[in-house]
Amino acid sequence: ETGVTQTPRHLVMGMTNKKSLKCEQHLGHNAMYWYKQSAKKPLELMFVYSLEERVENNSVPSRFSPECPNSSHLFLHLHTLQPEDSALYLCASSQVHGLTAYEQYFGPGTRLTVT
Amino acid sequence: AQSVTQLGSHVSVSEGALVLLRCNYSSSVPPYLFWYVQYPNQGLQLLLKYTTGATLVKGINGFEAEFKKSETSFHLTKPSAHMSDAAEYFCAVRGSGEYGNKLVFGAGTILRVKS
Repeated sequence: ETGVTQTPRHLVMGMTNKKSLKCEQHLGHNAMYWYKQSAKKPLELMFVYSLEERVENNSVPSRFSPECPNSSHLFLHLHTLQPEDSALYLCASSQVHGLTAYEQYFGPGTRLTVT
Repeated sequence: AQSVTQLGSHVSVSEGALVLLRCNYSSSVPPYLFWYVQYPNQGLQLLLKYTTGATLVKGINGFEAEFKKSETSFHLTKPSAHMSDAAEYFCAVRGSGEYGNKLVFGAGTILRVKS
């Protein structure tokens, strides 16, 4: 595997389900990100992990719970979602030096549909 | 705070015509600038980047962009559009200070190529 991978690519879940999205980066980077991309809305940054520490949480509802067990893996745990949470969820990674990040590399995304 | 404005949410060109996608930025630090492309139901792919040095940067698929500090612009161009260029394009600038570990994205421009 190369680059950034995400599984699953498509997920349909009911509002009472619990599921997890997985992201893995094979680039040796030290920062990882979760974004939400909804139709006709700007890209929304959800969470930032730098050196496995969560450094940003952009007022995301608690029904989204991130986990970064090491610098190569990032999870997004989902529970009791709402239909408006249906979107493309993108994972990205980058190399951060001090407070400066360089280009981010994105995975293919998980298309989530909440029914 | 950093910000990015992409002029025109939709741009339509004929095949073989010049592609020009506009991006203006605001940055309190020397900007690092990026262009990404997104095809339907895929992640964002890095097209090109400017950090320091030469202000005209070349990217993949025949695209290039010129950093103009005086105009705070980083417009994306391609001399001759191809049908396969139809996609959404995002301009981004690096954050600064405590936000240096993230990128600030524009709202995106959808490029349509007519045959």
